[in-house]
Amino acid sequence: SYELTQPPSVSVSPGQTARITCSGDALPKQYAYWYQQKPGQAPVVVISKDSERPSGIPERFSGSSSGTTVALTISGVQAEDEADYFCQSTDSSGVWVFGGGTKLTVL
Amino acid sequence: EVQLVESGGGLVKPGGSLRLSCAASGYAFSSYGINWVRQAPGKGLEWVSFISTSSRYIFYADSVKGRFTVSRDNAKNSLYLQMNSLRAEDTALYYCAREYDSGGYTIWGQGTMVTVSS
Repeated sequence: SYELTQPPSVSVSPGQTARITCSGDALPKQYAYWYQQKPGQAPVVVISKDSERPSGIPERFSGSSSGTTVALTISGVQAEDEADYFCQSTDSSGVWVFGGGTKLTVL
Repeated sequence: EVQLVESGGGLVKPGGSLRLSCAASGYAFSSYGINWVRQAPGKGLEWVSFISTSSRYIFYADSVKGRFTVSRDNAKNSLYLQMNSLRAEDTALYYCAREYDSGGYTIWGQGTMVTVSS
């Protein structure tokens, strides 16, 4: 079955840049989405279609794509950005696939 | 207000059954496919099932195939998940999540908790 691979954890100091990657063979052909999930809350999309930022999402969140890897970059990380981040894409049938998630810790 | 609201979760014994519901409002429910996604305590997100607008296309994760059945009633703006032969590993928060629109937007509910334990 199709898999998306993320690092389990990323740690940064406030004000620094955090970069979370997601790798998958089909990513050159399928859009990727990034979700932020804080404890006790439903996931929220922070990046759509590889690099689009939905309304209401701060400009410090950006997405990029290169070959089989997509990345979520958070510039000028703030304490409130500490959360779990999941990438999501689709397999050849069009069904959703999620990465294992990355815990972002703001030191 | 655009929203999805799940219900029907609870405590059930292994081997038991449960039916989850997801009520949609604020958008054209019949125009979008919709997914069930679950999250076990302390774990990541796992896609469970998808049903297309007219129920023509239905997909399941291998982990639930043959035990879970997804359905929808467009007249009632509702999605359902019939869960049979439940196992401890089915314990999770179950979300319904609309497929993306052309602008890349989706809608998620707040989830309903299913606990399978004796």
